[in-house]
Amino acid sequence: GQQLNQSPQSMFIQEGEDVSMNCTSSSIFNTWLWYKQDPGEGPVLLIALYKAGELTSNGRLTAQFGITRKDSFLNISASIPSDVGIYFCAGRPGSNYQLIWGAGTKLIIKP
Amino acid sequence: EAGVAQSPRYKIIEKRQSVAFWCNPISGHATLYWYQQILGQGPKLLIQFQNNGVVDDSQLPKDRFSAERLKGVDSTLKIQPAKLEDSAVYLCASSLDRSTGELFFGEGSRLTVL
Repeated sequence: GQQLNQSPQSMFIQEGEDVSMNCTSSSIFNTWLWYKQDPGEGPVLLIALYKAGELTSNGRLTAQFGITRKDSFLNISASIPSDVGIYFCAGRPGSNYQLIWGAGTKLIIKP
Repeated sequence: EAGVAQSPRYKIIEKRQSVAFWCNPISGHATLYWYQQILGQGPKLLIQFQNNGVVDDSQLPKDRFSAERLKGVDSTLKIQPAKLEDSAVYLCASSLDRSTGELFFGEGSRLTVL
């Protein structure tokens, strides 16, 4: 079946650093989404992307829909303590397909 | 606007017992999803409803799991009998309709099977 490779698996960063993570798929997608999950909570949608090459920002977060339609990237600028959590990418080849989820990137801020 | 409501938040049972989880989606959302999330993994879809009809239940272990959304609003997910490997968080999500991937999740119900 289709798979998403999300990397890195975890990141240890200093407060104030920029963060980059990405997701690649084995097939072409027409939708990419990025969610964040805090401990004990459900995932929350951060950014949705619907067009190849699209670059969308949400505050300090910026996500891009890769030109090949097989990848997506999420950047966080000037990280703060509340950015800690698990970031999931999700995507699908079309609206009649189920979302496929990555395994998540765990963001940890070094004290 | 009220979010997706789930209960109970936590449940501990012994293997072979049964358990039920309840979900009330955001008002007006036609599509409801049940996901299973095992620690350290992304959510795995169990079943998707569009109003009161099942759209996709291909990954639901039907010998032990069942779900219903009789009136097209709230939904119940049942496990009977439970196995140790069913220990997970059960997430309910809803969306305006099935064409969008923009899901709104509840806080989840954490199940521990001993």
